[in-house]
Amino acid sequence: GQQLNQSPQSMFIQEGEDVSMNCTSSSIFNTWLWYKQDPGEGPVLLIALYKAGELTSNGRLTAQFGITRKDSFLNISASIPSDVGIYFCAGSLFTSGTYKYIFGTGTRLKVLA
Amino acid sequence: DTGVSQDPRHKITKRGQNVTFRCDPISEHNRLYWYRQTLGQGPEFLTYFQNEAQLEKSRLLSDRFSAERPKGSFSTLEIQRTEQGDSAMYLCASSLVRRLYNEQFFGPGTRLTVL
Repeated sequence: GQQLNQSPQSMFIQEGEDVSMNCTSSSIFNTWLWYKQDPGEGPVLLIALYKAGELTSNGRLTAQFGITRKDSFLNISASIPSDVGIYFCAGSLFTSGTYKYIFGTGTRLKVLA
Repeated sequence: DTGVSQDPRHKITKRGQNVTFRCDPISEHNRLYWYRQTLGQGPEFLTYFQNEAQLEKSRLLSDRFSAERPKGSFSTLEIQRTEQGDSAMYLCASSLVRRLYNEQFFGPGTRLTVL
């Protein structure tokens, strides 16, 4: 199935460092969601974006809806060990009453204490 | 709010057997989605319901797969004659449709292993 491009695929960082990851699409979306998934669990919603150019924060997390509507960025400031996990973006274009989301391939984050 | 729940959390079956999974969405949510996730990949859309109506099915959903949401509340996903390639995490998500806003909340998933 179709998946969005996420980069980087994986990253090792030191505790306290800031993290940036992004998601790109060849299609225009009008909604972006960012999720975190721990092993063996379902994805947990972190941030939702609904407007091009929108910048939204949730604690140490900040996400932006790209102005081209084809990309989105997630930043994590001052990382801590519990930030370890896989981060997924998901984009959706509301057409004909459909809110189907397409997910990215994931960014695997490992934090070194 | 108890969130989305799925049952069972794990299922091991032999090739050729039928399996059925259940999803209970967040109570006021009118949309329910099924996704499949294989190792190292993001969730892939299978199908979704608005209330009891199944509105879209992915090409990934072969004729061995069937999903129902008979009363617009819980949903079941059945896989008949399972194959080893069906081994994956099956995720359910629900949402409350509002104009312009559609946040999907996931359950913990059902991990299927076909031997």
